[in-house]
Amino acid sequence: AQRVTQPEKLLSVFKGAPVELKCNYSYSGSPELFWYVQYSRQRLQLLLRHISRESIKGFTADLNKGETSFHLKKPFAQEEDSAMYYCALLYNTDKLIFGTGTRLQVFP
Amino acid sequence: NAGVTQTPKFQVLKTGQSMTLQCAQDMNHNSMYWYRQDPGMGLRLIYYSASEGTTDKGEVPNGYNVSRLNKREFSLRLESAAPSQTSVYFCASRQRGYYNEQFFGPGTRLTVL
Repeated sequence: AQRVTQPEKLLSVFKGAPVELKCNYSYSGSPELFWYVQYSRQRLQLLLRHISRESIKGFTADLNKGETSFHLKKPFAQEEDSAMYYCALLYNTDKLIFGTGTRLQVFP
Repeated sequence: NAGVTQTPKFQVLKTGQSMTLQCAQDMNHNSMYWYRQDPGMGLRLIYYSASEGTTDKGEVPNGYNVSRLNKREFSLRLESAAPSQTSVYFCASRQRGYYNEQFFGPGTRLTVL
């Protein structure tokens, strides 16, 4: 069965420090992975998807099939990055399974 | 475009009461979803609808029913609410396509006493 694991419930860093939010997955098919973000009092929204190989708000994520990981990284954290981050895996072509989420706190 | 809308925003129920959460999308998406969000559990899929007239159970369907009234609307019904159903409920929609994202509504915060 498919599974997404985010081992950290909370990650606290100071502004300007590097950030890495971990995500590991288990899936028998070809994985399609996403990062979603939920800022305070806002709805959940897509941050980035692995297939696009894009950088959004300075965040990047690389799919490592050997380690079954899709970690989210940013070299210099900003206070406005404070939010809840969810890693998600597409399965059965049309459903997402989410990890339990990591709350990122960036202190000034 | 309003995107995905949900009503109500907040609701308090007593154990055993029933209610329906409403969801609508104006993006002409085929697929719609209901999730619940609980601390430490992330988002869990309750029900899913691939198209009008079709529904499918997700991870945690017990205690819920759904109706896909038309392409726009997907409602979630609690027939006899229980305290374990206290949660934040999110509706989402998606256009079928391998790389397409899900769009989420603002959520409904439900408390069952």
